[in-house]
Amino acid sequence: DAKTTQPNSMESNEEEPVHLPCNHSTISGTDYIHWYRQLPSQGPEYVIHGLTSNVNNRMASLAIAEDRKSSTLILHRATLRDAAVYYCILRDNMEYGNKLVFGAGTILRVKS
Amino acid sequence: KAGVTQTPRYLIKTRGQQVTLSCSPISGHRSVSWYQQTPGQGLQFLFEYFSETQRNKGNFPGRFSGRQFSNSRSEMNVSTLELGDSALYLCASSLVPDKTDTQYFGPGTRLTVL
Repeated sequence: DAKTTQPNSMESNEEEPVHLPCNHSTISGTDYIHWYRQLPSQGPEYVIHGLTSNVNNRMASLAIAEDRKSSTLILHRATLRDAAVYYCILRDNMEYGNKLVFGAGTILRVKS
Repeated sequence: KAGVTQTPRYLIKTRGQQVTLSCSPISGHRSVSWYQQTPGQGLQFLFEYFSETQRNKGNFPGRFSGRQFSNSRSEMNVSTLELGDSALYLCASSLVPDKTDTQYFGPGTRLTVL
């Protein structure tokens, strides 16, 4: 399973943008980059995913480096509800199934 | 649409007992995966079911087993419980086992083994 590296924790002020980095230097051409987050006392929830191009949805944006060895999840205006553990996960498109390999993730703290 | 439901939400058992946890996927979802979450090991994949067949298995001992029914509901069973099995057990469902398909997680079952 391809590996990702994320900072242990980050802190942000409410209403400000947050950039959560993820390094994946061993990514293969068929790996999708997925982000999930886990709010306190809840199961993980899907945030966004991409392959090569930058992606936007109602929750966040995903910026993928040109060489695909790193990516950044962007929360445009952090709210207290965004305080969670954020997981960056690589999913091999050539491998069967839905298995998600979670790392330690980044704990995001949001200050009011 | 109702989300993924897991029952029971909390469970206390003693060492040596066995336990069965249940997961009802989102209506129309046919793929169900199970994960174990502990403070020490984080989130770890247990197994995945699709069309009543186990399609993928994580690195857990044979005491951990599961099954899926024709209505896509799934159960997992842990026999001969050990203290280290205390964890949050999470179930996730998706339409099919596709890499780009979103997985939806339930709230989990908190198992405590005494």
